[in-house]
Amino acid sequence: EAQVTQNPRYLITVTGKKLTVTCSQNMNHEYMSWYRQDPGLGLRQIYYSMNVEVTDKGDVPEGYKVSRKEKRNFPLILESPSPNQTSLYFCASSLIGTPTPYEQYFGPGTRLTVT
Amino acid sequence: AQSVTQLGSHVSVSEGALVLLRCNYSSSVPPYLFWYVQYPNQGLQLLLKYTSAATLVKGINGFEAEFKKSETSFHLTKPSAHMSDAAEYFCAVSEVGGGGTSYGKLTFGQGTILTVHP
Repeated sequence: EAQVTQNPRYLITVTGKKLTVTCSQNMNHEYMSWYRQDPGLGLRQIYYSMNVEVTDKGDVPEGYKVSRKEKRNFPLILESPSPNQTSLYFCASSLIGTPTPYEQYFGPGTRLTVT
Repeated sequence: AQSVTQLGSHVSVSEGALVLLRCNYSSSVPPYLFWYVQYPNQGLQLLLKYTSAATLVKGINGFEAEFKKSETSFHLTKPSAHMSDAAEYFCAVSEVGGGGTSYGKLTFGQGTILTVHP
């Protein structure tokens, strides 16, 4: 089954304790992206990647890191989480098409609480 | 810069009634427009998309949307609501063109929660 998976689905942690949220897709997609969803703000892009070893900042990158060492995986790293990073996080992936962007497929989400 | 405004954070309809969810966009270039649906505790699922072909776009589950350039709108409609339509709906815009740093970036509206009453 074609899908984007995220782990963990739920995470409660404390301020300053490094954590990684994993994202994996099995569709051979070049493009991957991380979003955070907050009430009343919709989804905002954190980082994205056009292919292996090619990453760039989105709208709200502060406090986050990413890496793309393999095509299928795009982990999100919070090196020193703070309470304002409490949010619902989504990973998405798609093929790259020109000029029409392909549909982005979303993972199930990771609900992170930082106390 | 592109932006999306969804009018009404909550919409409530009766089962069988018309569903109308409003979306207005701002973009400096011709946009691609999308509607996504999010059911409780799930990720986002694409309902439909506009990519400069037909202005009336039909999607899954009986939903459709009409692109109106003069009004910069992309409202989502369904003639008859079903209980299973209760979810949160997001309108999103993406810039035309496959290259550059803006590729693939979706700018989302704030979301509209649809409630369907029996």
